[in-house]
Amino acid sequence: DVKVTQSSRYLVKRTGEKVFLECVQDMDHENMFWYRQDPGLGLRLIYFSYDVKMKEKGDIPEGYSVSREKKERFSLILESASTNQTSMYLCASSSDEEADTQYFGPGTRLTVL
Amino acid sequence: GDSVTQMEGPVTLSEEACLTINCTYTATGYPSLFWYVQYPGEGLQLLLKATKADDKGSNKGFEATYRKETTSFHLEKGSVQVSDSAVYFCALSERTGNQFYFGTGTSLTVIP
Repeated sequence: DVKVTQSSRYLVKRTGEKVFLECVQDMDHENMFWYRQDPGLGLRLIYFSYDVKMKEKGDIPEGYSVSREKKERFSLILESASTNQTSMYLCASSSDEEADTQYFGPGTRLTVL
Repeated sequence: GDSVTQMEGPVTLSEEACLTINCTYTATGYPSLFWYVQYPGEGLQLLLKATKADDKGSNKGFEATYRKETTSFHLEKGSVQVSDSAVYFCALSERTGNQFYFGTGTSLTVIP
């Protein structure tokens, strides 16, 4: 079974703090994704990566950056957290062989006070 | 551009009732279609998928048929259980890339 894990299930931070959300997958997948999920808006893509050290902007990259130093790990960084970044963050991965299917982690619920 | 529209919830059903959650899509190419399920407090899990017209995806008693003529992929189950209470997302992915498009989700509550 594909396993995608995220470093925290719940996180509370203060405005202006730098926040790191980590995602690890154990299936040697080439592709990794970060989404945020908000009520009534569904999932929106923040960033994705096709390969190590490679990143592409999604639909809502503003206020976020990412890092992929190793194939199995994809980090989402909030350089200076703001209250409007309070959300559920979901990481996903997929392989090149089955590129049309994504596997999701359990999510991190981030609250910015 | 590509998009997915699914029926708004919340939906509340009694146990053993029939379920249909409507999903229609707009796509420029020949997408794969998916239903994902999110149980309370968890991430999304792939429920079923179909990769070409007239394919039927099925899993755990749920079914959905890829209808190109009506650009639809409605989720159905003949008899729901309390354990089916969750949020259901319809999604599409173009074969050429990794871009996914999700619907806004439909919350289902099944009462005993």
